[in-house]
Amino acid sequence: DAGITQSPRHKVTETGTPVTLRCHQTENHRYMYWYRQDPGHGLRLIHYSYGVKDTDKGEVSDGYSVSRSKTEDFLLTLESATSSQTSVYFCASTPGLHTGELFFGEGSRLTVL
Amino acid sequence: DAKTTQPPSMDCAEGRAANLPCNHSTISGNEYVYWYRQIHSQGPQYIIHGLKNNETNEMASLIITEDRKSSTLILPHATLRDTAVYYCIGANMEYGNKLVFGAGTILRVKS
Repeated sequence: DAGITQSPRHKVTETGTPVTLRCHQTENHRYMYWYRQDPGHGLRLIHYSYGVKDTDKGEVSDGYSVSRSKTEDFLLTLESATSSQTSVYFCASTPGLHTGELFFGEGSRLTVL
Repeated sequence: DAKTTQPPSMDCAEGRAANLPCNHSTISGNEYVYWYRQIHSQGPQYIIHGLKNNETNEMASLIITEDRKSSTLILPHATLRDTAVYYCIGANMEYGNKLVFGAGTILRVKS
């Protein structure tokens, strides 16, 4: 399995506080993704990255920002968390789009009270 | 991305083949069929993908109809550990498509 880890794995925070989730991969993969998963919605793409400092929005990007200053790290930030952002967040990476294979992290469960 | 339709759930006896269908009648000529699965609350796991030809790897076989409007994922000898949600996705990542995970099929393997 690709070495992709997420931190923190669990977090409880209050509405209005900033939150940053970290995705770290040791495989030198160029492409990285952040998804959220909620009951009844499957996995929905938040943001993705084609390389260092090269990011773009997914289908549910409002309220989220990302940064990728190094190949191995892709950060997801909730500037002011809301209860609707309570979810399980998954990070994924792939070395190339031709492979069709995304490697997923274990997920980060975020609860916003 | 192509719209895909999967049954919400299926049961399979342990040791038997599990055949998971997927309809993707709107798939375009350059879109692949990808299959992933998600066991309990873990991150999704890639299984296999194909364009036109049938594909096989150590995990499963993928049978795509000649008109490419549907496909079947086959787990040849299902085990209890294969109980998971299986996602069928039609897309071409090289063309900028992102993988869109729908509701999938819940496969329950029973002893």
